[in-house]
Amino acid sequence: EDQVTQSPEALRLQEGESSSLNCSYTVSGLRGLFWYRQDPGKGPEFLFTLYSAGEEKEKERLKATLTKKESFLHITAPKPEDSATYLCAVQAKSSNSGYALNFGKGTSLLVTP
Amino acid sequence: DVKVTQSSRYLVKRTGEKVFLECVQDMDHENMFWYRQDPGLGLRLIYFSYDVKMKEKGDIPEGYSVSREKKERFSLILESASTNQTSMYLCASSLIAGLLAKNIQYFGAGTRLSVL
Repeated sequence: EDQVTQSPEALRLQEGESSSLNCSYTVSGLRGLFWYRQDPGKGPEFLFTLYSAGEEKEKERLKATLTKKESFLHITAPKPEDSATYLCAVQAKSSNSGYALNFGKGTSLLVTP
Repeated sequence: DVKVTQSSRYLVKRTGEKVFLECVQDMDHENMFWYRQDPGLGLRLIYFSYDVKMKEKGDIPEGYSVSREKKERFSLILESASTNQTSMYLCASSLIAGLLAKNIQYFGAGTRLSVL
């Protein structure tokens, strides 16, 4: 069974304090790994898609990387506006649910001034 | 920009009522999805549709049905609402199944449903 595990569940950082969020996955065949950001009371907002091990994507202070077993979301010099829940999801080649995403439970990030 | 619109942000219903949640996307996407999101459980797939009038069950379809009569609209129906269906419901759409670059799912803002 496909599984996605995110750690830590919650993370508190000082402004400017860089860190990484982890997403470990087990799937029978990875079609793609997705990162989303979700603000309270809102729907997830797409950040990145990674398709193969070794791939990296960057956007402002965020950088996502992918290995065969996990993905990291690196946050460099975060600002308070980066506070949100970050969701990782995988899309499996063998999924019986078409092209639906299998989500982790998320990491809640709080960046304090 | 892709826009996925859910008809209500907040709904309060009584146990046993029939509830309709509506979702409209404006980007001519083939695929549409309904998820529910609960604290500690994350997002779970209820139903999805890959074409008009086509639907497939997700991981937790019990107590729900769906309708897709037009490409842009996907409705989630709670036939007889129960308190354990109190949740945040999220609709999503994506362009084409099978093409990696086009498989990004875009989400609506969500409907927070309370069943009393």
